[in-house]
Amino acid sequence: EDQVTQSPEALRLQEGESSSLNCSYTVSGLRGLFWYRQDPGKGPEFLFTLYSAGEEKEKERLKATLTKKESFLHITAPKPEDSATYLCAVRLGGEGGGNKLTFGTGTQLKVEL
Amino acid sequence: DGGITQSPKYLFRKEGQNVTLSCEQNLNHDAMYWYRQDPGQGLRLIYYSQIVNDFQKGDIAEGYSVSREKKESFPLTVTSAQKNPTAFYLCASSPRQVYQPQHFGDGTRLSIL
Repeated sequence: EDQVTQSPEALRLQEGESSSLNCSYTVSGLRGLFWYRQDPGKGPEFLFTLYSAGEEKEKERLKATLTKKESFLHITAPKPEDSATYLCAVRLGGEGGGNKLTFGTGTQLKVEL
Repeated sequence: DGGITQSPKYLFRKEGQNVTLSCEQNLNHDAMYWYRQDPGQGLRLIYYSQIVNDFQKGDIAEGYSVSREKKESFPLTVTSAQKNPTAFYLCASSPRQVYQPQHFGDGTRLSIL
């Protein structure tokens, strides 16, 4: 069964304290791993797509990496405005199903002054 | 600006009542999706549509119905058969091509009166 597991469930950081969020998956034939940011009461906002093991993407204080079994979202010197829930999703393998995604339950990040 | 519009933002349902959630996109995307989000759970796929006049059940379609008469619109009806409808409902769209991310609206929160 295709599964996506995110850890930790919640993370509290001090401003400037770097850390990493984990997304592990068991999907046959990965066809893309996606990271999203979700603020309370809002829809998820797309951050990154990773296609193959070894790939890295960066945006401001965020850097996403991908291996054959997991992805990491590294947050460098976070600020309070980085506080949000970060969601990981994988596209199911195979040609059928279009761009159906399987989502993890998210990591709730809070950055304090 | 292109985007996805969901309405209403808040919706209340009485026992035995059907309610319809609206989703409109002007991104010219072929595929559209409906998800349900509950606390502590990942997004779960209700229905998806890859082209006009065609749609498929997702993982939790029971008690829901959809239509796709126009490319821009993908309304979701929560029927009286759905016994636990209280949730945050998210609509998304994407191009049909593999690896393309889904983009989300800002959701509709449905509650029972």
